[in-house]
Amino acid sequence: SQQGEEDPQALSIQEGENATMNCSYKTSINNLQWYRQNSGRGLVHLILIRSNEREKHSGRLRVTLDTSKKSSSLLITASRAADTASYFCATDGPDKLIFGTGTRLQVFP
Amino acid sequence: DGGITQSPKYLFRKEGQNVTLSCEQNLNHDAMYWYRQDPGQGLRLIYYSQIVNDFQKGDIAEGYSVSREKKESFPLTVTSAQKNPTAFYLCASIAGLGDTQYFGPGTRLTVL
Repeated sequence: SQQGEEDPQALSIQEGENATMNCSYKTSINNLQWYRQNSGRGLVHLILIRSNEREKHSGRLRVTLDTSKKSSSLLITASRAADTASYFCATDGPDKLIFGTGTRLQVFP
Repeated sequence: DGGITQSPKYLFRKEGQNVTLSCEQNLNHDAMYWYRQDPGQGLRLIYYSQIVNDFQKGDIAEGYSVSREKKESFPLTVTSAQKNPTAFYLCASIAGLGDTQYFGPGTRLTVL
């Protein structure tokens, strides 16, 4: 069962633009994580935000969390062609991470 | 160089054959996971193990089996009972609940 749902499913932008993707979840969480997957590769952890945090930054990444709306957003600023990948949110279940459906980001040079 | 390795990278299987996918980690993580990913889709959990000699079914365990005889190894067998096994399989491990999950590079299984 998947708890997270990402929106949009696919996003195409030009280099230099910002990319925003959203994640909604259903039950209470302790933390939420974002992962990136290049085509045909494993997932790579990007950032973790805890339930008592509202915003977190890492380089060009900014993650927000709104526990009242059960939603999170990932903002990639000044995007590059190398940011082309799928992005997944994951919430902590009782004994496992629960991944969303992913957003496929295409950044055109 | 710590991490998770999966082998082989590509695997071809004839219908009716069992095949075993390897997953090894040297991160000293207790918990390990197997996921299946179909084209353009998210991850679906097959099996997971939180400790040696113990494992639990995930959301799509039918047609798969696992073992966890050693902390560093969590092999997945795709049996002939799995009706549509062609997919990308990802192995992951985690130090503790709520921590970052580390992924292997994946194995692409194709049934001919």
